[in-house]
Formats: sequence, structure tokens, C-alpha cells
Amino acid sequence: SAVISQKPSRDICQRGTSLTIQCQVDSQVTMMFWYRQQPGQSLTLIATANQGSEATYESGFVIDKFPISRPNLTFSTLTVSNMSPEDSSIYLCSVERDADTQYFGPGTRLTVL
Amino acid sequence: QKEVEQNSGPLSVPEGAIASLNCTYSDRGSQSFFWYRQYSGKSPELIMSIYSNGDKEDGRFTAQLNKASQYVSLLIRDSQPSDSATYLCAGGGSNYKLTFGKGTLLTVNP
Repeated sequence: SAVISQKPSRDICQRGTSLTIQCQVDSQVTMMFWYRQQPGQSLTLIATANQGSEATYESGFVIDKFPISRPNLTFSTLTVSNMSPEDSSIYLCSVERDADTQYFGPGTRLTVL
Repeated sequence: QKEVEQNSGPLSVPEGAIASLNCTYSDRGSQSFFWYRQYSGKSPELIMSIYSNGDKEDGRFTAQLNKASQYVSLLIRDSQPSDSATYLCAGGGSNYKLTFGKGTLLTVNP
């Protein structure tokens, strides 16, 4: 498995501002993923973040809105830019271990007013 | 488009009963399948993974995979109130991405 932390655990933000979410894992991993879980919904993959390359975004998600950094093998950030109330969600990072199994961080609960 | 469908639920079972959770998937290229448990307000927690046709048992949990029918299930024996949660089925492909179903809310009544 993996020990994963996320910061902040929750935040309340104003419309038009940006928030950067950090994800830290206890050992080196090649693949990290960022998901969004809107209220009452399942998980939707935003992007895959590999160290040393640009993040790969899923359909419907763009780099200008969700820029991602992956500076090393234990850390990644996701920024939610120019936020609107529709961005209110739980944002989760995960890491791939053990033959493509993913383990999730505790999540960041974001409310945009 | 890859899809994973779960029985919509909610599912309610009495304590001690067997809870049966079902999932179908559309992508025949999916090679791995996972069941996650998510308590309210928490992040998903891995319960089981299964890669081959047949049954895989881990304690009170049994995952079943039938690739010909594109069907995955999770059985929880001797259900406990602490098993009450949303169960997420996910399918994985060669690119390590997971596609999640919408989840089934399970309530185990004492």
C-alpha cells in the first residue's frame, strides 16, 4: 500500500481565486493521478501526472484550469484556477502500486462561494 | 467510451446476511478490476483486486470475475454494521487508468 497525505484537507474559497492542493506520498512512485468527486457522484479522473513529463488530461479537463506539477517521485500539486461554485468537489490524489493498483489520499474538500 | 455500471442500490441487508454487489463493464480490454469501500466523508479504500476469471477470497469478502460476461461481483459474508458504506467498482486497462462505477450504497442493519 502507500501512505499519502494531502493539504489542505478542506478549504472555502471565493469565486475567481485559485487553490493549490498538495499530495505527498511516503515513497517513490512513477504514476500519480488526480480525481474529482462531485457531491453524491463517483470519481472522475482529471489527469495523470508522471515525473519528468507533462501531465495527461482527460476529456473535459484542460491545463489552464487544472495545472499540475510533478517535481519529483513523491510529490505533486493540482491547482484549481479561477474557481466557480461548480468546482466545489472533493479532489483526490492517488498513486499506482502493486501491479496497477491505486491507493488514494484522504482528499481535499473544496467549497467555492 | 469505457463504462462501468453498478447495481444502483441502495442495498439494505440485515446483520449476518450476505451482501451481493454487482458490476458490469463495457471495455473488453480491461484487464484488472477493483472494489473500493468509501465511508461517508472519507476517501476510497481498496478492498479487493481481481485479474483472472473465477473467485478470489479474502476473509469475509469474495470477488468474482467473469470476463466472457463482462461481469464482476463482490460478496460480503456475515455482513456487519461497519460494512455500511458505498462500494465502488473500477476497471483498469493497460494504461493504468481506472474507470469507476457510480457506486452502490450498502446499509447493514443491526
